[in-house]
Amino acid sequence: DVKVTQSSRYLVKRTGEKVFLECVQDMDHENMFWYRQDPGLGLRLIYFSYDVKMKEKGDIPEGYSVSREKKERFSLILESASTNQTSMYLCASSGGGRGGTEAFFGQGTRLTVV
Amino acid sequence: AQTVTQSQPEMSVQEAETVTLSCTYDTSESDYYLFWYKQPPSRQMILVIRQEAYKQQNATENRFSVNFQKAAKSFSLKISDSQLGDAAMYFCAYRSPGQGNLIFGKGTKLSVKP
Repeated sequence: DVKVTQSSRYLVKRTGEKVFLECVQDMDHENMFWYRQDPGLGLRLIYFSYDVKMKEKGDIPEGYSVSREKKERFSLILESASTNQTSMYLCASSGGGRGGTEAFFGQGTRLTVV
Repeated sequence: AQTVTQSQPEMSVQEAETVTLSCTYDTSESDYYLFWYKQPPSRQMILVIRQEAYKQQNATENRFSVNFQKAAKSFSLKISDSQLGDAAMYFCAYRSPGQGNLIFGKGTKLSVKP
């Protein structure tokens, strides 16, 4: 069974903390993504990666960075958490190329910054 | 840049009835992929149905079918014989060929009344 696993379902952090959100996929997918989901705004792309050690900015990269040292793992880093980063974070992966495979999602991490 | 619009923030349907969720998109590409995802209260995003733009035939998955109108750039989802378990957020998404990331609409919250 296809699996994308996010390390935490719920997380509470303090303003200014460095926060790591981890995501692991077991499908040998080339592509991995981090989205942020807010009510009324849908899903917005933060960063994505097409290969190990490669990363590209999405629509809202400010305040975030990512790391992809291994193909199966894609980490989202909040360098200094702020209250406006309180949100739901969704990780996804997909196969590359023209195959048009759909994205598979993790269960989401609800992050609260206090 | 491509955009996806879901004009119905909320919809309601009676159990066993049929409901149609609307989605329009804007693109200058001739080849692309379209998806409908379901997000129940558990937060796990699940693929409902996909459509390749080069296929004229509308995709169908059991009780779920789409009405794909390429010229009108419309991609609506029809749910037949609605069930209580269909209650969820539904997201329409667009993907360019050779690109991994999805562009999402803002979602439609579907309620199913018993």
